[in-house]
Amino acid sequence: AQKITQTQPGMFVQEKEAVTLDCTYDTSDPSYGLFWYKQPSSGEMIFLIYQGSYDQQNATEGRYSLNFQKARKSANLVISASQLGDSAMYFCAIVRYSTLTFGKGTMLLVSP
Amino acid sequence: DGGITQSPKYLFRKEGQNVTLSCEQNLNHDAMYWYRQDPGQGLRLIYYSQIVNDFQKGDIAEGYSVSREKKESFPLTVTSAQKNPTAFYLCASSLSGFSGELFFGEGSRLTVL
Repeated sequence: AQKITQTQPGMFVQEKEAVTLDCTYDTSDPSYGLFWYKQPSSGEMIFLIYQGSYDQQNATEGRYSLNFQKARKSANLVISASQLGDSAMYFCAIVRYSTLTFGKGTMLLVSP
Repeated sequence: DGGITQSPKYLFRKEGQNVTLSCEQNLNHDAMYWYRQDPGQGLRLIYYSQIVNDFQKGDIAEGYSVSREKKESFPLTVTSAQKNPTAFYLCASSLSGFSGELFFGEGSRLTVL
């Protein structure tokens, strides 16, 4: 069975600084995919970034990058130059076949 | 604009009543999903459907039922058998059952009094 662990219930960061949100996973499948989603206070889930298990390079999408360490089974999200609008819940998820398994999330608060 | 529409956004019901949450998508996606979110629990999968007229139980299907009679629609019924139905419910879709990336609706918050 898949499992995602996010050990940081909450994180604080000052505007314009970088922040790393931790995610470790457990799977026995050789092929898998990892996602990060953002959930603002309004409730909708916003896709941020995807990393495939066979991808040679770490994924990047604008200010978001994924620090993928396959041997350690970690897929940490790095947000560079934090903005006030980045304050939200962040979820890591792993895909197997047709479903996503989510972690419990990390609440990020960005202060001015 | 294409997207996923969930209704109602907020719903209050008395204990023992069944309630149906609507989910409609115009993305022409084959797969649709229902997740439940509780504080501190993350998202947990209730049911999913990869094609019309077919659906599978997720991790917490007990007390819920679904139907998939049309590609665009995947309603979720919270039955009186669900012991703790108060939660935030999220509907999602993906292009196909194996594409992984999910597109979410804005959610429905159900409160049972």
